[in-house]
Amino acid sequence: ETAVFQTPNYHVTQVGNEVSFNCKQTLGHDTMYWYKQDSKKLLKIMFSYNNKQLIVNETVPRRFSPQSSDKAHLNLRIKSVEPEDSAVYLCASSVRDWGGSYEQYFGPGTRLTVL
Amino acid sequence: QQKVQQSPESLIVPEGAMTSLNCTFSDSASQYFAWYRQHSGKAPKALMSIFSNGEKEEGRFTIHLNKASLHFSLHIRDSQPSDSALYLCAVSNTGNYKYVFGAGTRLKVIA
Repeated sequence: ETAVFQTPNYHVTQVGNEVSFNCKQTLGHDTMYWYKQDSKKLLKIMFSYNNKQLIVNETVPRRFSPQSSDKAHLNLRIKSVEPEDSAVYLCASSVRDWGGSYEQYFGPGTRLTVL
Repeated sequence: QQKVQQSPESLIVPEGAMTSLNCTFSDSASQYFAWYRQHSGKAPKALMSIFSNGEKEEGRFTIHLNKASLHFSLHIRDSQPSDSALYLCAVSNTGNYKYVFGAGTRLKVIA
């Protein structure tokens, strides 16, 4: 099966803890993304990686750090979570060629709740 | 900084109606325009995209782009209850890897 996979599905933690989320895509795409979707469903890009290289780093707090071991994997670590980090974190991938941007394939998301 | 706005925020239509959703953007250099649909509790999924001015039709869905007006739209013919979802428009420039999404339009189609 080719798709975008994320783990875990849910995570509940206390303020100040560290969390890590994993994402893997089997679509053969060269670009991966992390998005945050808040309670109002607003979808905001956090990071973009192309072939393991960080391309886009939006204005996110320094406690967020992405990690990519190869073009099929992109993880997200949050050091010392805060209540406003509660959201759904969506991983996506896409392929880019001479035509420019192409559709993104999203994973099912990781719902983070910070108590 | 690219700004993307959608209207209306929410919409209720009867089954069989034509539905029209709107998206405006601020960066005239934008080159990729797309609509995504997100059913409740699910991931967003791409519906249609367009690169150049004009229209593109796929089944019951039509996307229309007017770059001069900084506007594109999605039209759903013969709306079905299964079309009930959050619709997100997305804009990107060729050459960067950043997609900016609108805040969404919540569509409910009543049988």
